[in-house]
Amino acid sequence: GQSLEQPSEVTAVEGAIVQINCTYQTSGFYGLSWYQQHDGGAPTFLSYNALDGLEETGRFSSFLSRSDSYGYLLLQELQMKDSASYFCAVRDRRSGGYQKVTFGIGTKLQVIP
Amino acid sequence: GAVVSQHPSRVICKSGTSVKIECRSLDFQATTMFWYRQFPKQSLMLMATSNEGSKATYEQGVEKDKFLINHASLTLSTLTVTSAHPEDSSFYICSTDTIGGNTIYFGEGSWLTVV
Repeated sequence: GQSLEQPSEVTAVEGAIVQINCTYQTSGFYGLSWYQQHDGGAPTFLSYNALDGLEETGRFSSFLSRSDSYGYLLLQELQMKDSASYFCAVRDRRSGGYQKVTFGIGTKLQVIP
Repeated sequence: GAVVSQHPSRVICKSGTSVKIECRSLDFQATTMFWYRQFPKQSLMLMATSNEGSKATYEQGVEKDKFLINHASLTLSTLTVTSAHPEDSSFYICSTDTIGGNTIYFGEGSWLTVV
């Protein structure tokens, strides 16, 4: 089966940089995604890594190392509005040829002044 | 704008009744939609994969007779919670892949409260 590990909570100061790590175990791996979810809302897509390396989108960057089954989300120039839960999610191949996305437990990021 | 629209956003129903939640893909055809369930402060748990024109694929432990999924068209999938009980109270979210499959777009989610 699939399993993902990420920290449950992280606190960081406004303007700082924070890194949220994610390790995973799966078979038939396709890629690692990150999603942001504010309290009471639906998740929104942040990034997707299928290959090793760093993907940058504005203040957010995501990294993947397939050999280490590891990735991270890097948030720079933190703003108060970045306070939310961040989920890593693995896309892999399931029996029957379908793709499946499994989510981690989520990391609750609190940005403090 | 929204890619996936979900309705209703909030619903309260009495124990023993059934509730239908709709998920629509906007501006594109979705052959596959996914239904998730999320309890407060927990992760999203995939309940089932909804395939247009065929039976849904349910995850282990999800009662297919309780959570009825219908995907009758390329833009609409519905989840019906039958004989709802208070323990079914949760946040239900649908999603769909983009064409090409690397991004998941979520509906707005539906808060179900069973009293």
